[in-house]
Amino acid sequence: GQNIDQPTEMTATEGAIVQINCTYQTSGFNGLFWYQQHAGEAPTFLSYNVLDGLEEKGRFSSFLSRSKGYSYLLLKELQMKDSASYLCAVLDSNYQLIWGAGTKLIIKP
Amino acid sequence: GAVVSQHPSWVICKSGTSVKIECRSLDFQATTMFWYRQFPKQSLMLMATSNEGSKATYEQGVEKDKFLINHASLTLSTLTVTSAHPEDSSFYICSARATDSRDRVSDTQYFGPGTRLTVL
Repeated sequence: GQNIDQPTEMTATEGAIVQINCTYQTSGFNGLFWYQQHAGEAPTFLSYNVLDGLEEKGRFSSFLSRSKGYSYLLLKELQMKDSASYLCAVLDSNYQLIWGAGTKLIIKP
Repeated sequence: GAVVSQHPSWVICKSGTSVKIECRSLDFQATTMFWYRQFPKQSLMLMATSNEGSKATYEQGVEKDKFLINHASLTLSTLTVTSAHPEDSSFYICSARATDSRDRVSDTQYFGPGTRLTVL
């Protein structure tokens, strides 16, 4: 079966750095996405990785290792507004998006 | 950009009535749109994949006669919840998949703001 694993919840301090991990087992791979979802709102696109390595975009970076079936989202200089759920999703061989359950990130002052 | 609109944002209706939700891609064409449902504190659940000009593909357990999907153009898909009941109360979110690579990431799903449905 297809499976995406990410921690259910994480807590971090304002100004700090946090890394949210995602491991996957899917039938084929055509890229991995990270989305941010604030409570009561729809997800918003953060990043897309299809090749191994690190993609940096401002305070957010996303890393992919296809051989390990592993990705992480790195958030730097955390702000209170970063409190949200972070969803990892993989595009499989049929171009279907397989979703993780999301990681709820709690930022404390 | 990649803007997807959804209308209405929220709706309250009586049990037994039908509700139509519209999803539009405003600045790009989307041959494929997706309809999701999300209950409080739960993951996104894909309901169906909507393809322009053809029938929607429903996920297992989703009643196609209850959740009617029409994708009449490259920028519009509609979801009609027929004979809605309180258990259909949920947050319905559509997304549109970008297939070009101008200022968008190809194959990325861009989400509408969602529609909160409450059935009394």
